[in-house]
Amino acid sequence: AQSVAQPEDQVNVAEGNPLTVKCTYSVSGNPYLFWYVQYPNRGLQFLLKYITGDNLVKGSYGFEAEFNKSQTSFHLKKPSALVSDSALYFCAVRWYSSASKIIFGSGTRLSIRP
Amino acid sequence: GAGVSQTPSNKVTEKGKYVELRCDPISGHTALYWYRQSLGQGPEFLIYFQGTGAADDSGLPNDRFFAVRPEGSVSTLKIQRTERGDSAVYLCASSLTYNSPLHFGNGTRLTVT
Repeated sequence: AQSVAQPEDQVNVAEGNPLTVKCTYSVSGNPYLFWYVQYPNRGLQFLLKYITGDNLVKGSYGFEAEFNKSQTSFHLKKPSALVSDSALYFCAVRWYSSASKIIFGSGTRLSIRP
Repeated sequence: GAGVSQTPSNKVTEKGKYVELRCDPISGHTALYWYRQSLGQGPEFLIYFQGTGAADDSGLPNDRFFAVRPEGSVSTLKIQRTERGDSAVYLCASSLTYNSPLHFGNGTRLTVT
């Protein structure tokens, strides 16, 4: 069955330090992978996606993510965290099909302390 | 430009009543999705439209839930005989094509008393 997992409910990082938010997926084919962010009292916003090509993709607000097919992972990273990055982050996946749904992970709350 | 619009923003209803939630996607977006989100959880897939047809409705919890998109634009999610467990934020999203990023509305917060 298709699934996506975010193993950490919360990640705490000091401002200026690098951050990683983890995502893994189970697959029976090739995936499209996405990261979305949800700020308090705001809708979900797209950050970045992997469709094909370079395994390292760059997105909004200085975030990037690395697709690792052998480990079925798509971890979100940022070299230097900002307090304003504090939010709820969701990994999402769909399979190579126009009739395929997009499923979301349970989310990881990222907290950046000054 | 205008984003995805969902109405109402809040809906309080009594157990057993019927509700309709409306979604106006971004103009020209062929794909439309409904999700529901409980506090602190990820969006739970309900149904996906490609054009007018439901390409995947496997997430609808039971036959009390139904959604339509008759002209390939506006969509309505319909819930019959509401139950307290239906209380959640119902999210609508649209995308230009099936592999484009989703654009989310602000959601409808449904409370069943």
